[in-house]
Amino acid sequence: ETGVTQTPRHLVMGMTNKKSLKCEQHLGHNAMYWYKQSAKKPLELMFVYSLEERVENNSVPSRFSPECPNSSHLFLHLHTLQPEDSALYLCASSQEVASGANVLTFGAGSRLTVL
Amino acid sequence: GQNIDQPTEMTATEGAIVQINCTYQTSGFNGLFWYQQHAGEAPTFLSYNVLDGLEEKGRFSSFLSRSKGYSYLLLKELQMKDSASYLCAVQDSNYQLIWGAGTKLIIKP
Repeated sequence: ETGVTQTPRHLVMGMTNKKSLKCEQHLGHNAMYWYKQSAKKPLELMFVYSLEERVENNSVPSRFSPECPNSSHLFLHLHTLQPEDSALYLCASSQEVASGANVLTFGAGSRLTVL
Repeated sequence: GQNIDQPTEMTATEGAIVQINCTYQTSGFNGLFWYQQHAGEAPTFLSYNVLDGLEEKGRFSSFLSRSKGYSYLLLKELQMKDSASYLCAVQDSNYQLIWGAGTKLIIKP
């Protein structure tokens, strides 16, 4: 257990479905992140929240919609996804957004398959 | 553009030593991180280097040369549990993390 919990661990959805990924951190961190991890590719930063405010959105398609209701919870709402969106979605948290040794604590990820 | 290069896959023998290299070209530099990721698990923090030199932490050491844009992770006395992917990441001048694609390390008995 890293202190960052993601649910569900596995999700299979059709292209017309609507689903959500959930992330919860118990570390008292102020920043939370969504990353996409595809095989043999670098981690892709999707969204960053600092104290519940979105501070970064890296040109992510609108079919991905983040929500941060408080500093401990982060959601990623999914709708009308494409097969190429199949990947491991990692949530992470850190003490602050931009600092020297900004160590990220990751969850184990949600493995998404879009049919 | 910004770029991190590391080998895709490496194989080593249990009990041996392995060095995983990482080279980078980024807009500024505010530190380099190594993370370990076992299959199906969360990446976990291994080391952080911001000054040149070697940082040792048990069986793992990390080296940085800022002038060469180069780092390596050294794993000694390899154990089967060290089979994992090792991710190199650099913080640029805006404190954004630039990630490598990871090195999959396979340990053979």
